[in-house]
Amino acid sequence: DAKTTQPTSMDCAEGRAANLPCNHSTISGNEYVYWYRQIHSQGPQYIIHGLKNNETNEMASLIITEDRKSSTLILPHATLRDTAVYYCIVRSNSGNTPLVFGKGTRLSVIA
Amino acid sequence: DTGVSQDPRHKITKRGQNVTFRCDPISEHNRLYWYRQTLGQGPEFLTYFQNEAQLEKSRLLSDRFSAERPKGSFSTLEIQRTEQGDSAMYLCASSFEGYGYTFGSGTRLTVV
Repeated sequence: DAKTTQPTSMDCAEGRAANLPCNHSTISGNEYVYWYRQIHSQGPQYIIHGLKNNETNEMASLIITEDRKSSTLILPHATLRDTAVYYCIVRSNSGNTPLVFGKGTRLSVIA
Repeated sequence: DTGVSQDPRHKITKRGQNVTFRCDPISEHNRLYWYRQTLGQGPEFLTYFQNEAQLEKSRLLSDRFSAERPKGSFSTLEIQRTEQGDSAMYLCASSFEGYGYTFGSGTRLTVV
């Protein structure tokens, strides 16, 4: 079973920042937080991952709380092409555990 | 490399027929995964291979399902005696040692 809790859906105005929350209160010390997204009719796409420090790449920023029980994915300037289902996944970084997906958050970016 | 390829993209079959899907992973990736996704749900793990060895199978993988990865390259997923409940998107992914998952676009199966 997924170890994360995400809102079912969110809306965001085009050009504004999209902040997608995720709760993972049972995360353990060796588990990372991964974010993937799935655009309609495509396979999931990796966005970003982190352990305890905030991370940023060309797609997004990941903010993890100090107690690591929750995180927020930030898309700084959402576009219509960011409309997708976003999955927050907690996973050991040993690499041996397959990714386990929950239902994710359906983000709708509105013009 | 063009990423993970899946074939066919769409398959419509009659209940009771057998179907086979193919996945071609990224060539440098030694692990290959199969997932199933139904409407409104996230992908559900079915099974994975490291090279040619099938290392893990989900309880979702009934005895009508079989997967192979001969020679550790492409993989096939066969469903025998299809049922309407098998209608779903079947996704393949590959990785190197469990890192850098890359997913294909999936095969959408409709059982009528």
